Formats: sequence, C-alpha cells, structure tokens
Amino acid sequence: EDQVTQSPEALRLQEGESSSLNCSYTVSGLRGLFWYRQDPGKGPEFLFTLYSAGEEKEKERLKATLTKKESFLHITAPKPEDSATYLCAVRPTDSWGKLQFGAGTQVVVTP
Amino acid sequence: GAGVSQSPSNKVTEKGKDVELRCDPISGHTALYWYRQSLGQGLEFLIYFQGNSAPDKSGLPSDRFSAERTGGSVSTLTIQRTQQEDSAVYLCASSLALPSEQFFGPGTRLTVL
Repeated sequence: EDQVTQSPEALRLQEGESSSLNCSYTVSGLRGLFWYRQDPGKGPEFLFTLYSAGEEKEKERLKATLTKKESFLHITAPKPEDSATYLCAVRPTDSWGKLQFGAGTQVVVTP
Repeated sequence: GAGVSQSPSNKVTEKGKDVELRCDPISGHTALYWYRQSLGQGLEFLIYFQGNSAPDKSGLPSDRFSAERTGGSVSTLTIQRTQQEDSAVYLCASSLALPSEQFFGPGTRLTVL
C-alpha cells in the first residue's frame, strides 16, 4: 500500500534557525514527489516537483531534495513569513491523476 | 492570470439537505481535481476529470457524492442528503494536463449542522 509520512508534525523555529522537514514514501516506481505550502484558511500553494533520486530544487530560502525513499525540505535562515504547513504528496502507483498527501508539518517561525 | 476560484467560500447547511460546490479552473487547464480536507486529516482525493475522458471517481466516499464538469471547464461537486461527517474544506485544483502540477483554489468550507 502506498504511504506518505511526514515528520515532525510540528516545528517551532527562531528566525534565522535553519532546519529540515522529512517526507518518507513507499510507492512502487515514483512518478513525482510534490511539495506544497498551505497557509491557514487557504488552499495549498505549489512549491516543487521532484522526479529522480539526487534531484534538487530551490526557491528563495527553500530547497527540496529527493532520495529513493524520502525527500527533505530544507529551510535556510527562515523568516516569520515562512510560517505555514508544508505538505508532501506523491502520485500513487495506480494513477497518473490523483495525489496522495502526507499529513503535513506545521512550521512556526518566531522573530 | 487568474487562479482557480471556488464558490461559495463558506456553506452552512442542515443535515439531510443537498449542497452544490462550484469550481472554476485556470483557463486552458484540461484537468480538474476535487479533494477534501477534514480537521486533523490530510487532503483526501475525491475525483478528477481529464479532457473528454471518463472521470476517475475512485475517491468518492459514497453514492451521495457526485461531480460533473460542463464544457470542459466549470465543475460542480454535489453532496446529497448531507451528513455531519461531510463537514470539511472541499478543495478544487486544476492542471495544464496530466501529469502536470496541480494548482489549488481557496476551498469551500462546508459545515453540516
């Protein structure tokens, strides 16, 4: 059975304190791993897609990496505006359409 | 350009009533998806449409749920005889095609009393 597990569930950071979020997955033949950011009361905002082990993508203070079993979202020198829930998703084995999401990591960055 | 839009933003209904939720995808996007996000749970896939192909309805939780997409654009998710467990945020997303990245709307918060 395909599974997506995110850790930690919640993360509290001081401004400037870098950290990493983890997304581990069990999918037969990965066909895309996706990172989204979700602010309270809003829909998820697309961040990155990764397809192959070793692939990396960057956007401002965020960097996503991928291995054969997990992905990391590194937040470098975070600012309060990086506070959000970060969601990881994969395409399940049986579909090209739907995404299977993890439960998310809630990040709070304090000044 | 304009993103995915959904209406209404909030809907409060009584148990047993029918509700309709609307989604306007990004112009030019051929694929449209519905998800549900319940308190304390992750996003749950419901249904997706791709062009003129038959929709993938594998995520619909019961036959009270149905969706249609008219003219390859606007979609309506209908929940009949609503139950309290239907209370959730219903999110719509669209993508240029399969398997492109999915872009989400702001959601409709449904509360069933």
